[in-house]
Amino acid sequence: GAGVSQSPSNKVTEKGKDVELRCDPISGHTALYWYRQRLGQGLEFLIYFQGNSAPDKSGLPSDRFSAERTGESVSTLTIQRTQQEDSAVYLCASSPGGLYSPLHFGNGTRLTVT
Amino acid sequence: AQRVTQPEKLLSVFKGAPVELKCNYSYSGSPELFWYVQYSRQRLQLLLRHISRESIKGFTADLNKGETSFHLKKPFAQEEDSAMYYCALSGRLLFNKFYFGSGTKLNVKP
Repeated sequence: GAGVSQSPSNKVTEKGKDVELRCDPISGHTALYWYRQRLGQGLEFLIYFQGNSAPDKSGLPSDRFSAERTGESVSTLTIQRTQQEDSAVYLCASSPGGLYSPLHFGNGTRLTVT
Repeated sequence: AQRVTQPEKLLSVFKGAPVELKCNYSYSGSPELFWYVQYSRQRLQLLLRHISRESIKGFTADLNKGETSFHLKKPFAQEEDSAMYYCALSGRLLFNKFYFGSGTKLNVKP
């Protein structure tokens, strides 16, 4: 079956605009993660969804960032009033949800804020 | 707080030479460690995990709790091993979240 799908693959936006990034996880995967990767840096944890439990938002860098997930399907990451420091690749990963299950990553969305 | 450190941004070796990619971690609980790899134009994917004690593509990694390390090793590097390698940490105290290092780019020269 298809892997994790992210859209758009590239997004250029002006400072101050809102953006929405989408992630379609692998069917049946109950866990979903968002990460941010700035140029030359590692993956920075943002948010984690597990089934119908309340999401772990402990990695969100500011209240401009929010994410939603509908059941065990699509997730959207929203960044309001974008800033230049938000420029990065945003990676989504899903997993079957068992303890330490391997993460399956999407190709990412490259966000550029001008 | 938890932290994963990969001290080398770039590691270049010749084909057939041994390779070791370093990973150190900081974590107050019992760690679970992983190595992920990203080949050119491919997605980030799991290479191996400590819990499975496996060898994948000739790579092995041993968890050393005394030195808080999980270095990735291969006795004879191949050109197809050239990729970005990320060390990742999880554990019960982290509630199934994973924390990644900054990555090491391995370049295997012919």
